[in-house]
Amino acid sequence: KAGVTQTPRYLIKTRGQQVTLSCSPISGHRSVSWYQQTPGQGLQFLFEYFSETQRNKGNFPGRFSGRQFSNSRSEMNVSTLELGDSALYLCASSFLQASNEQFFGPGTRLTVL
Amino acid sequence: AQKVTQAQTEISVVEKEDVTLDCVYETRDTTYYLFWYKQPPSGELVFLIRRNSFDEQNEISGRYSWNFQKSTSSFNFTITASQVVDSAVYFCALSEANYGGSQGNLIFGKGTKLSVKP
Repeated sequence: KAGVTQTPRYLIKTRGQQVTLSCSPISGHRSVSWYQQTPGQGLQFLFEYFSETQRNKGNFPGRFSGRQFSNSRSEMNVSTLELGDSALYLCASSFLQASNEQFFGPGTRLTVL
Repeated sequence: AQKVTQAQTEISVVEKEDVTLDCVYETRDTTYYLFWYKQPPSGELVFLIRRNSFDEQNEISGRYSWNFQKSTSSFNFTITASQVVDSAVYFCALSEANYGGSQGNLIFGKGTKLSVKP
């Protein structure tokens, strides 16, 4: 069974631009969560989607948004990029809700110049 | 508020030594889940274990063992006879119970970087 895949793996953008990251969950998994990892703040929860609905949202500004498609694939978008958005963005999928094991993808390394 | 504390920022051991990674958590929920993840240099988080708050049995999986104590709000992780391949950052995480369908976001500790030297 293929794991969680994320594209692209690396991305370089400049301040003010926007970016879209993609995540394909493990086949059969319906829940997708996104996390941001930075050296200063560590791993922080962004949002969770289940059956195309946002179920939970972390404490991030509205520039961070996401969506989930009917095939459970998910995208997250960051608009008006800031230097502080440079981070590793990790996507995780799980079979159901209820705090099942979350399986993580390799992440997208975003650098904002 | 929920919080996970991993007081050890970095630990360095020599191969074959035993090492324990500490994790202390805070939550007001009576039902919650605790996790350990490993993050090797490649960056991908690897799931190690999940424990629910009603199961205080210790668990052993090969060289790995976990000690869950609700009385001290701790969920410590021990690696016996460490190996160089165990070198990674280890994260402890906490999640609320499932309310309203949400899987509950993971609250991570800051991580402990383990270096195992040959």
